[in-house]
Amino acid sequence: EAQVTQNPRYLITVTGKKLTVTCSQNMNHEYMSWYRQDPGLGLRQIYYSMNVEVTDKGDVPEGYKVSRKEKRNFPLILESPSPNQTSLYFCATQTQGSYEQYFGPGTRLTVT
Amino acid sequence: GNSVTQMEGPVTLSEEAFLTINCTYTATGYPSLFWYVQYPGEGLQLLLKATKADDKGSNKGFEATYRKETTSFHLEKGSVQVSDSAVYFCALSMNRDDKIIFGKGTRLHILP
Repeated sequence: EAQVTQNPRYLITVTGKKLTVTCSQNMNHEYMSWYRQDPGLGLRQIYYSMNVEVTDKGDVPEGYKVSRKEKRNFPLILESPSPNQTSLYFCATQTQGSYEQYFGPGTRLTVT
Repeated sequence: GNSVTQMEGPVTLSEEAFLTINCTYTATGYPSLFWYVQYPGEGLQLLLKATKADDKGSNKGFEATYRKETTSFHLEKGSVQVSDSAVYFCALSMNRDDKIIFGKGTRLHILP
């Protein structure tokens, strides 16, 4: 079954404690992206990757890092989380030449 | 820059009512247009798309027509069901493989 998985699905943490949210896909898609969803602001892109070892900033990259060492994985790293990073995070993938993005189930992060 | 504006919610309707969710866009050129749907606790999924002017996208009883003259892509359904309760996102993309720009989303509640 084609899917995008994210882990963890829920996370409560404290300010400054480094964390990683993993994203993995089994569709061999080249393009992967991270979004955050906040009430009244909709979806905002954090980082994206066109392929292995190719990453670029989206609209709201501050406070986040990513890496793309393998095609299937695209982890999101928060080196020093702050309360304003409390949000719902989505990973999405897209195959080259397509319009459609496939989304993971989301990770709800709370930073206290 | 390119952008999407959709009606603010929440929209609350009774079952079997007619639904319209308005969406207009601003773009330099001729984008492809999409509606994505997010059911409770899930990621977004593509509902329908239209890639050129006057195209009509349709799926699950929903329809939207690409109107270049009014730069609009309104979502309609003739008879909504409780299971249609979700958040609906209008979106555009200028090219395949290009960034997808999302509207802020419209929450729809259908009452039995």
